[in-house]
Amino acid sequence: GQQLNQSPQSMFIQEGEDVSMNCTSSSIFNTWLWYKQEPGEGPVLLIALYKAGELTSNGRLTAQFGITRKDSFLNISASIPSDVGIYFCAGRANAGKSTFGDGTTLTVKP
Amino acid sequence: NAGVTQTPKFQVLKTGQSMTLQCAQDMNHNSMYWYRQDPGMGLRLIYYSASEGTTDKGEVPNGYNVSRLNKREFSLRLESAAPSQTSVYFCASRTDRGREKLFFGSGTQLSVL
Repeated sequence: GQQLNQSPQSMFIQEGEDVSMNCTSSSIFNTWLWYKQEPGEGPVLLIALYKAGELTSNGRLTAQFGITRKDSFLNISASIPSDVGIYFCAGRANAGKSTFGDGTTLTVKP
Repeated sequence: NAGVTQTPKFQVLKTGQSMTLQCAQDMNHNSMYWYRQDPGMGLRLIYYSASEGTTDKGEVPNGYNVSRLNKREFSLRLESAAPSQTSVYFCASRTDRGREKLFFGSGTQLSVL
């Protein structure tokens, strides 16, 4: 099946710092999605991307759909303690089901 | 605004026991999914249902069965639980029109001893 490589696996940052994470695939996707999961909860959709090259923001979060359609990036600016959680990328090909990355665990130190 | 509701929240089973995880959504979605999440790993699809009356295997279906009881409800059954099925299970439903967005329940933490 399709594989997604998400990196980094974990990040420990200081409040106020910017964060970058990415996902790469050997396959082409038509949709990239970014989810956040907080302890004891299911993932919640942050940003959805539907077109190669698309750049979309949601508050302090910005995500991009890579031109090759095989990668996507998520940036968080000026991190705050409530940004703590696990961030998942997910890719979807035509008529396929979403494939999830293994997640990036973000810890923000006040 | 319930969204996707899963029960139970926690469950402990002995090897060989059976149980059913329940899921219901109130968003009138056609598509529903069951995922499992293991430590340090992403979500892996167990089964999905594109519409009432249809179910299909996902990436890791062995040891599980599902029932799409009606449009709202999609249950996951473990007939003979094994320690390898210790995991957190998530149910999700998907928007039908336009673009893909999954809405997840809050999960069931299952331990098989």
